[in-house]
Amino acid sequence: QQQVKQSPQSLIVQKGGISIINCAYENTAFDYFPWYQQFPGKGPALLIAIRPDVSEKKEGRFTISFNKSAKQFSLHIMDSQPGDSATYFCAALTTGSARQLTFGSGTQLTVLP
Amino acid sequence: ETGVTQTPRHLVMGMTNKKSLKCEQHLGHNAMYWYKQSAKKPLELMFVYSLEERVENNSVPSRFSPECPNSSHLFLHLHTLQPEDSALYLCASSHRTGGLGEQYFGPGTRLTVT
Repeated sequence: QQQVKQSPQSLIVQKGGISIINCAYENTAFDYFPWYQQFPGKGPALLIAIRPDVSEKKEGRFTISFNKSAKQFSLHIMDSQPGDSATYFCAALTTGSARQLTFGSGTQLTVLP
Repeated sequence: ETGVTQTPRHLVMGMTNKKSLKCEQHLGHNAMYWYKQSAKKPLELMFVYSLEERVENNSVPSRFSPECPNSSHLFLHLHTLQPEDSALYLCASSHRTGGLGEQYFGPGTRLTVT
């Protein structure tokens, strides 16, 4: 069964701190791993993504770390800001003619001022 | 705005009603998707359309009926729903199903079934 397990379910971080969200998967057919950010009343928006042939990708304050052998990947938010407070979803994309995203269950991040 | 719009934003319907959700994308994409988002659960993919043909139907009950008349529009027709169908229904689009798969989401329709 295709599944992506995400933790923690909720996270509270002080302003300026580091937020870390973890995801794990089983299906080796996944070949693209995006993270989505969702604010209340909005649909998810693509934040950053990584292919399994690299171990890390950084865009501004957001970094994805990828461990192919452990089938794990994580999102690090450096210098977390109150505006980062949102729900974050990891996802994984399958290969094949009909590419599908499988999402994690989400992490509600609250950054305290 | 992401370029994907959904109407209505909120919908309350009884179990015997028939209603439709509408999605429109202005991004020139040729693949469109319906997802169901329930509290504390992962987003569930319901349907995938590529070049206006349905390519995926993830065991969705027949009380949900999708329609894709062209590459810019996607509908979800609802009838005889159950209270457990109450959720946020999200539409998304992408360039094609064979690409990297960056999907752009609309704001969703919050559906409540009474």
